[in-house]
Amino acid sequence: KNQVEQSPQSLIILEGKNCTLQCNYTVSPFSNLRWYKQDTGRGPVSLTIMTFSENTKSNGRYTATLDADTKQSSLHITASQLSDSASYICVVSGQAGTALIFGKGTTLSVSS
Amino acid sequence: DAGITQSPRHKVTETGTPVTLRCHQTENHRYMYWYRQDPGHGLRLIHYSYGVKDTDKGEVSDGYSVSRSKTEDFLLTLESATSSQTSVYFCATESDKKALGYNEQFFGPGTRLTVL
Repeated sequence: KNQVEQSPQSLIILEGKNCTLQCNYTVSPFSNLRWYKQDTGRGPVSLTIMTFSENTKSNGRYTATLDADTKQSSLHITASQLSDSASYICVVSGQAGTALIFGKGTTLSVSS
Repeated sequence: DAGITQSPRHKVTETGTPVTLRCHQTENHRYMYWYRQDPGHGLRLIHYSYGVKDTDKGEVSDGYSVSRSKTEDFLLTLESATSSQTSVYFCATESDKKALGYNEQFFGPGTRLTVL
């Protein structure tokens, strides 16, 4: 069964610290992997999209990595800010024409 | 959220009543989607549309119907709402012009529906 698992479920860090969120997937065939940020009460917003041939992609303080061999991805947040408090959702796209598969998300809380 | 609006943003209704949620886009995107988001679950696809009057079922379509009479509008209807349909509903759009081999989905702000 195609699944996307994220860890940890939740995380609390101090402002200014770095953190890494994990995503493992069993989707096959694989097309691309996306990370979304969802603020409370808002819709998800795309951070990065990586295809099979890409193993890292950055968007400001956010850096995503992808290991297609082990079917793992991570999202690294550098020098966290209070505004980084949100849910981060890993999403995998399989073959063309099939639905996106969403992880349950990791809830990040950044405290001062 | 830019270019996608959902209405209403919040709604409380009673079991057995019909409910229609509206998604409006100004991006002229071909594809539109309805998802629901519940605690302990990832976003789950309800229905999607690949053009005017062209729709298909998603993973959790039971109890829901959709209509798309114009490119910009995609309606989700609960014919007879049940408490299990209490959820946050998100609309998403996607163009048919692939960039780098994939299409990006853009999400609306969501509608919080409570069925009592």
